[in-house]
Amino acid sequence: NAGVTQTPKFRVLKTGQSMTLLCAQDMNHEYMYWYRQDPGMGLRLIHYSVGEGTTAKGEVPDGYNVSRLKKQNFLLGLESAAPSQTSVYFCASTLWTSNEQFFGPGTRLTVL
Amino acid sequence: GENVEQHPSTLSVQEGDSAVIKCTYSDSASNYFPWYKQELGKRPQLIIDIRSNVGEKKDQRIAVTLNKTAKHFSLHITETQPEDSAVYFCAGSGGSYIPTFGRGTSLIVHP
Repeated sequence: NAGVTQTPKFRVLKTGQSMTLLCAQDMNHEYMYWYRQDPGMGLRLIHYSVGEGTTAKGEVPDGYNVSRLKKQNFLLGLESAAPSQTSVYFCASTLWTSNEQFFGPGTRLTVL
Repeated sequence: GENVEQHPSTLSVQEGDSAVIKCTYSDSASNYFPWYKQELGKRPQLIIDIRSNVGEKKDQRIAVTLNKTAKHFSLHITETQPEDSAVYFCAGSGGSYIPTFGRGTSLIVHP
């Protein structure tokens, strides 16, 4: 099993550009999450999904959109990137019978 | 919603000493309290967790204690080693499976 994977690993954007981050898991987990990690701020939840076709807002959803068309994939979109979105983005997934979060390797995004 | 406070933000110890990291939570409905370790440049990984029906849990050199009345839980690492150096995150969550993380503690173990 590959576990949780993220694409891409690194990306540099210019202000106003758009991009999509892909998260994939092969563990048949129902719950999937997108976090951003900034120095001294811990992990802050952007959006999450409790199942295929469902999404919900987390703590810091502004400027991001998500989609979960397939159970194994959770996409995070930035429509018009801003320097404040420079961060490390982690995807995670959880089985409904457990609370343990399995994290992907992260995507380091820089917005100039 | 849940609010999780974590202290200290930085902890420096000598190899062989013990380290304690404390977290408080606000939502009395929270019933699951994990601890994650994140090494530099790596993803967070679960190292130990505790549920609200248990007061203490141990796994070799690490232990977690929970005080439901006071709404706080702590991570204890004994006989620290340089490879314990990392950022540690606590979290709290209830039946919603939506965790709230603390801001992290950077543990530095000096050889």
